[in-house]
Amino acid sequence: DAKTTQPNSMESNEEEPVHLPCNHSTISGTDYIHWYRQLPSQGPEYVIHGLTSNVNNRMASLAIAEDRKSSTLILHRATLRDAAVYYCILSSYGGSQGNLIFGKGTKLSVKP
Amino acid sequence: GAVVSQHPSRVICKSGTSVKIECRSLDFQATTMFWYRQFPKQSLMLMATSNEGSKATYEQGVEKDKFLINHASLTLSTLTVTSAHPEDSSFYICSAPPAAGMRETQYFGPGTRLLVL
Repeated sequence: DAKTTQPNSMESNEEEPVHLPCNHSTISGTDYIHWYRQLPSQGPEYVIHGLTSNVNNRMASLAIAEDRKSSTLILHRATLRDAAVYYCILSSYGGSQGNLIFGKGTKLSVKP
Repeated sequence: GAVVSQHPSRVICKSGTSVKIECRSLDFQATTMFWYRQFPKQSLMLMATSNEGSKATYEQGVEKDKFLINHASLTLSTLTVTSAHPEDSSFYICSAPPAAGMRETQYFGPGTRLLVL
């Protein structure tokens, strides 16, 4: 699976939007882009995933660059409960048949 | 959404004893489950893939005789840490993709924190 690059940490203010970037310049045509987050002392939680088109769900939005070499997870209004490590992961099997390879992720801090 | 549970959530044991950790998919069937380990301030590292009805496959460097995996049913996988030592102290997490439905996601358990004294 191709590698992803994320900033080590980011800070946000409560109730403001947060844009978490992820670079994946070696992405292949069959790689899905997944985002998971891990709150302290908990297992990871699925956030969103996509292949080519931008995606929206109740938790977040995923903006995928036209060349698919980068993507951005958007939290529209950060809350204190969104403080977590966010992982951007590529999986050629869409995560359903293969395991997920976790990088170091981005640690998001949210200030009140 | 789908739920994966783990038991126990926390365990403290003496060095040399064995510890069993259960991973259950509560509202879906999982032919495959994954076991991860996470040391403090590090990311998750895949240990092994648990396959229902067949042998588990282990990642390079993970001792299969030390970390015994049994996937006896479509809803239960167990990880047994045999002869545990302090260096095995870690956060153990399982995950499962649903066998049907939204196959592009995985559901993670809440984790089991193991402390070996």
